[in-house]
Amino acid sequence: AQSVAQPEDQVNVAEGNPLTVKCTYSVSGNPYLFWYVQYPNRGLQFLLKYITGDNLVKGSYGFEAEFNKSQTSFHLKKPSALVSDSALYFCAVREDRGSTLGRLYFGRGTQLTVWP
Amino acid sequence: SAVISQKPSRDICQRGTSLTIQCQVDSQVTMMFWYRQQPGQSLTLIATANQGSEATYESGFVIDKFPISRPNLTFSTLTVSNMSPEDSSIYLCSAGGFPRVTDTQYFGPGTRLTVL
Repeated sequence: AQSVAQPEDQVNVAEGNPLTVKCTYSVSGNPYLFWYVQYPNRGLQFLLKYITGDNLVKGSYGFEAEFNKSQTSFHLKKPSALVSDSALYFCAVREDRGSTLGRLYFGRGTQLTVWP
Repeated sequence: SAVISQKPSRDICQRGTSLTIQCQVDSQVTMMFWYRQQPGQSLTLIATANQGSEATYESGFVIDKFPISRPNLTFSTLTVSNMSPEDSSIYLCSAGGFPRVTDTQYFGPGTRLTVL
């Protein structure tokens, strides 16, 4: 069965400090991994994805994530947090099914708060 | 990135009535999905909207309660039927399999539904 775990409901960090939002996953085959961000009263915005290739992927707004197959992790990181990064972050996984676009499995979300 | 619009953006409805939510994508896509999200919570997949055939529902969701249409490759509707206060939630449309980005799902802004 496919699943995603985001072990932290909340992450608090000071502006200018590095931030990490954790994600671990479970799939039976090759994983496709995604991060989305949701600002208040908005839909989900795509941040970045890992499909294949380099384990370190870069995305929107200065975010990056590192795929670690041995630890089945895909943690989201940013070197210097901004107050405007405060939002709800979702990690998601999909199993590689070739040409078929399967469903996503989401973590429960992590509320990131960056204080000035 | 993709443009996905939803109508209405929010509504307040009376118990026992029905509401139809529309989702429009700015290009032809292979897959469309409908999710439900309690405020501040994770996403729950309701169903996959299949073009030209009946939707595929997840466990706990049935066609009589959540009828879905997908008449073409850019449009889908979700109806919430015979509503009760427990149906109060955010309903999100998602699309994937875009012509130039085949492996990523994008989301609409959501419809915030309150049932009195």
